[in-house]
Amino acid sequence: NAGVTQTPKFQVLKTGQSMTLQCAQDMNHNSMYWYRQDPGMGLRLIYYSASEGTTDKGEVPNGYNVSRLNKREFSLRLESAAPSQTSVYFCASSFWSRGADTQYFGPGTRLTVL
Amino acid sequence: EDKVVQSPLSLVVHEGDTVTLNCSYEVTNFRSLLWYKQEKKAPTFLFMLTSSGIEKKSGRLSSILDKKELSSILNITATQTGDSAIYLCAVVGNTGKLIFGQGTTLQVKP
Repeated sequence: NAGVTQTPKFQVLKTGQSMTLQCAQDMNHNSMYWYRQDPGMGLRLIYYSASEGTTDKGEVPNGYNVSRLNKREFSLRLESAAPSQTSVYFCASSFWSRGADTQYFGPGTRLTVL
Repeated sequence: EDKVVQSPLSLVVHEGDTVTLNCSYEVTNFRSLLWYKQEKKAPTFLFMLTSSGIEKKSGRLSSILDKKELSSILNITATQTGDSAIYLCAVVGNTGKLIFGQGTTLQVKP
């Protein structure tokens, strides 16, 4: 039982390049989330997927797209990376429908955009 | 707009000290408040609080919610260097999404 896994762990991009961050969970959770964490700002929600087949914007969605590929996988895409997207990205999952709000986090992806 | 504010933002103490971290919130239709500990990597879950006045404990850590004051505290007694981390508070409202505070960075010196 690996919990929530993310790839890659580190990535350096040039401005304008694109990339996809991958996330998978093996806890049979129905809800999945993408956050970014910047110094002094806590975690901010980018996008979330309450259940398979649905996605919604969070607090800071601009410049990102997501795909809920199946119940296990939720990917985050940067189409044209900008230096302002330099951050640590966390994926999380939870059982939303049970009313349990405890989210379990992946190990994070450290992204630098030059 | 939903908001969570933590204080202090950073704290330096010595081993054996007791610390109190604060979290205040404004959220529509409050559902629960969560505390997480973040060391080098992912946040790990500590407590979930839904009812006022009921203390949750885990070893040297404890937390309590005050719905009247829209706040929560996290206490750590007899601190150890392994308690050094960022402590995150998050609140869930009617959207079901977690709204995080900025975090409190705790450093425990030997």
